[in-house]
Amino acid sequence: EAQVTQNPRYLITVTGKKLTVTCSQNMNHEYMSWYRQDPGLGLRQIYYSMNVEVTDKGDVPEGYKVSRKEKRNFPLILESPSPNQTSLYFCASSLLAGQREQYFGPGTRLTVT
Amino acid sequence: QKEVEQNSGPLSVPEGAIASLNCTYSDRGSQSFFWYRQYSGKSPELIMSIYSNGDKEDGRFTAQLNKASQYVSLLIRDSQPSDSATYLCAVNNLRGDRGSTLGRLYFGRGTQLTVWP
Repeated sequence: EAQVTQNPRYLITVTGKKLTVTCSQNMNHEYMSWYRQDPGLGLRQIYYSMNVEVTDKGDVPEGYKVSRKEKRNFPLILESPSPNQTSLYFCASSLLAGQREQYFGPGTRLTVT
Repeated sequence: QKEVEQNSGPLSVPEGAIASLNCTYSDRGSQSFFWYRQYSGKSPELIMSIYSNGDKEDGRFTAQLNKASQYVSLLIRDSQPSDSATYLCAVNNLRGDRGSTLGRLYFGRGTQLTVWP
């Protein structure tokens, strides 16, 4: 089944404790992206990747890191999480950057206390 | 100026009515337009894509695109309570300036639709 998977789905952590949210797609898509969604603010792009080893900042990259060492994986790293990073996070992938539909993972609900 | 704007809603329609959702965008060079449906706490799900001016129909859904006026709309005919969700408009941006906006997809904040029985 073609899909985007994320792990973990739910995470409660404390300020400053490094964490990684994994994202994997099995559709051989070149483009992958991370979004956060907050009430009243809609989907905001954190980072995106056009292809392996090519990543770029979205609208809200501060406090996040990403890497794209393999085509299928695009992990999101929070080196020192803070409470303002409490949010719902979505990974998405697309065959062609921006020009075809994006498929979303199920989401990761992160709470930083 | 926001890239993609949607009527904020919420929009409430009775079962069986037509729901009309609107979206405007700022980049005249945009070529790809999408409508997503998102149920509360769930991930966005693609329901329509449209790439050329005019109407595109898929079951009860019709997407309308007018590039000259820079708007895209979604009509839901015979609305059902199961259509109650937030609808997100997404538009690609082909600006080639550094800032790497080439090929990015921009989302509106969404319109919440409630269909009451």
